[in-house]
Amino acid sequence: QKEVEQNSGPLSVPEGAIASLNCTYSDRGSQSFFWYRQYSGKSPELIMSIYSNGDKEDGRFTAQLNKASQYVSLLIRDSQPSDSATYLCAGNSGYSTLTFGKGTMLLVSP
Amino acid sequence: DGGITQSPKYLFRKEGQNVTLSCEQNLNHDAMYWYRQDPGQGLRLIYYSQIVNDFQKGDIAEGYSVSREKKESFPLTVTSAQKNPTAFYLCASSIVQGARSSYQETQYFGPGTRLLVL
Repeated sequence: QKEVEQNSGPLSVPEGAIASLNCTYSDRGSQSFFWYRQYSGKSPELIMSIYSNGDKEDGRFTAQLNKASQYVSLLIRDSQPSDSATYLCAGNSGYSTLTFGKGTMLLVSP
Repeated sequence: DGGITQSPKYLFRKEGQNVTLSCEQNLNHDAMYWYRQDPGQGLRLIYYSQIVNDFQKGDIAEGYSVSREKKESFPLTVTSAQKNPTAFYLCASSIVQGARSSYQETQYFGPGTRLLVL
């Protein structure tokens, strides 16, 4: 059974701080990883994808992948109240379907 | 304006009734997916289709049916056999890049349909 684990939170950070969201996965064959942001009552929105070990930066977001430790993280710099949402981690291997974690709720306080 | 559309936004089902949720995409994506999301739960895969006229069951297919007659459309029917249909239903489509050894597939979601039971 392929699993993607996330802490449900909520993770509370003050405005301007760095938010660190973490995810572990059980399938060693997983190749691709994704972070989706989901506002309450809305559908998930893709914010980052990562396929190789290391860091990938896009604006205030940095995704980190460590395949040896089976660990994926998302850092949000200069967190804003508008970043308050649930963040879903997902991964897949080859032609398999995506496996989603249950999500971590992030609360950014002004 | 490209994207994935789902209709209706809200749908009410009476007991014993079949209802159909629409999903359309004009992104020229090959694969389409249906997920169900319950409060506090992750996304659970109901059905998916990688090419026209072919589809596979996901983890929770019982009580649901789909068709894929056109590349752009992947409707989901919630049958009367689904005893607990109240949920947020999400349709997604994906673009595939790279060869098998470097396969990369990225899924994008529609706005969702919220199904409620009367």
